[in-house]
Amino acid sequence: EIVMTQSPTTLSVSPGERATLSCRASQSVFNLAWYQQKAGQAPRLLIYGASTRATGIPARFSGSGSGTDFTLTISSLQSEDFAVYFCQQYNDWPLTFGGGTKVEIK
Amino acid sequence: EVQLVESGGGLVQRGGSLRLSCAVSGFTFSSFSMNWVRQTPGKGLEWVSYINGAGTTTYYADSVKGRFTVSRDNAKQSLFLQMNSLRAEDTGVYYCTRGLPTWFDYWGQGNLVSVSS
Repeated sequence: EIVMTQSPTTLSVSPGERATLSCRASQSVFNLAWYQQKAGQAPRLLIYGASTRATGIPARFSGSGSGTDFTLTISSLQSEDFAVYFCQQYNDWPLTFGGGTKVEIK
Repeated sequence: EVQLVESGGGLVQRGGSLRLSCAVSGFTFSSFSMNWVRQTPGKGLEWVSYINGAGTTTYYADSVKGRFTVSRDNAKQSLFLQMNSLRAEDTGVYYCTRGLPTWFDYWGQGNLVSVSS
């Protein structure tokens, strides 16, 4: 099983600042997605293919990386961006998620 | 508008059974694979099962293999998860998701399953 490790667990950021979230895979993957989850809601797809924004996702969200190291960057945090973010590999079965990074208001 | 609406969750005793349903609308159901994903206190987000559009191929997480069965009725635009021999660690919110085929672009609202010991 491919283990996905996200860091940090919690990220404190001021509105308007940049947030950089990390996701590391235990072995090389080619296929990675990022999701955002707000309290009491289902996750929402942000990024697939490591760097392609899903429909309707603002340009301030960007994904990068390859192999075992991936990054989600939020260029200028808006109030609605404070949430938990998960990465997911879909390179191999079983599909696996990271433990999440909570982005909170500093 | 794509909609996925789950039902069938609730409280069940350890060793019991539940059947989750997911009614979909807004897209050609038979053209898409579907997955169940759960969110539990112990493991966070965990993929549970996959079924292809025709319903001929399924995959399961090791933690549920042999106990859970995924199926679909394309005529009724519905997805199902039959859960047997439920354990305390199966407690969580279960999401029906549309797969492309193995990343998830639409999620249902979630359905709580609680297994009591």
